[in-house]
Amino acid sequence: DGGITQSPKYLFRKEGQNVTLSCEQNLNHDAMYWYRQDPGQGLRLIYYSQIVNDFQKGDIAEGYSVSREKKESFPLTVTSAQKNPTAFYLCASSSVGPGGGAYQPQHFGDGTRLSIL
Amino acid sequence: AQSVTQLDSQVPVFEEAPVELRCNYSSSVSVYLFWYVQYPNQGLQLLLKYLSGSTLVKGINGFEAEFNKSQTSFHLRKPSVHISDTAEYFCAVIYSSRSARQLTFGSGTQLTVLP
Repeated sequence: DGGITQSPKYLFRKEGQNVTLSCEQNLNHDAMYWYRQDPGQGLRLIYYSQIVNDFQKGDIAEGYSVSREKKESFPLTVTSAQKNPTAFYLCASSSVGPGGGAYQPQHFGDGTRLSIL
Repeated sequence: AQSVTQLDSQVPVFEEAPVELRCNYSSSVSVYLFWYVQYPNQGLQLLLKYLSGSTLVKGINGFEAEFNKSQTSFHLRKPSVHISDTAEYFCAVIYSSRSARQLTFGSGTQLTVLP
C-alpha cells in the first residue's frame, strides 16, 4: 500500500542534542512538507520541498534543517537551536497538479512525538 | 494577513444528532479549501475538498461542506453523528497568492460525540 512512513513514533532529546526525524513516501509525490503541531494551535509549516535538492522555509523554520536528496525521503533535523522542540511533528506529501497548480491535497504520515528529557 | 478561523474549539453533541463545524477564511480572490480529521496520536486524513465547481461538496463518512464565497466560509456538516466521529477536525486553505501548495490551517475543533 502506498503511504507515508514517519519514524520513530516517539523520540526524546537531551539538552544540546540534535535529533533527526525520518519521513519516507512511496506515493511518487514531488512535494513534501514538515509541520509542527502544538495543542490548540493547529499545524504550522516548518519546511517544504517541491523537487529533489530544493527546499524552502515555512513559517517557523528557525532551529530546524532539512535535506531532499531523494524523491522519497525528506528528513527533518531538530537542532539544539530550537529552544522549545516538544511537539508533534507531521510529514506530508502531495502531487503536483496540472500545470503545476497548487491544489492537490496533502497526504499525512502518522507523526513523531518529540519530548525533552 | 491570510488566516483560517475555526470558531469553536470544542463541540459536544449527542449521538445521532446533526452537527456543524464552522470555518471562516480571510477574503481572497482564489482559494482552495479542505477539511481534515485527526484521531488521537495519528496523522491527518482528508475528509473533503473544494477546488472549483459545485459549492456543496460531499466527503467520506457522510460529511459534507458548503463553500460560501460571500461569507468566506466553508462549514462542515453531518446530519447524524456516530460515536466513531469523535476526533479533531481541521479546516485548511490554500491561498493562491501564497507560495505554491502552502496550506494554512485553522486551530482545530474537537468534536466529542456523547452516547
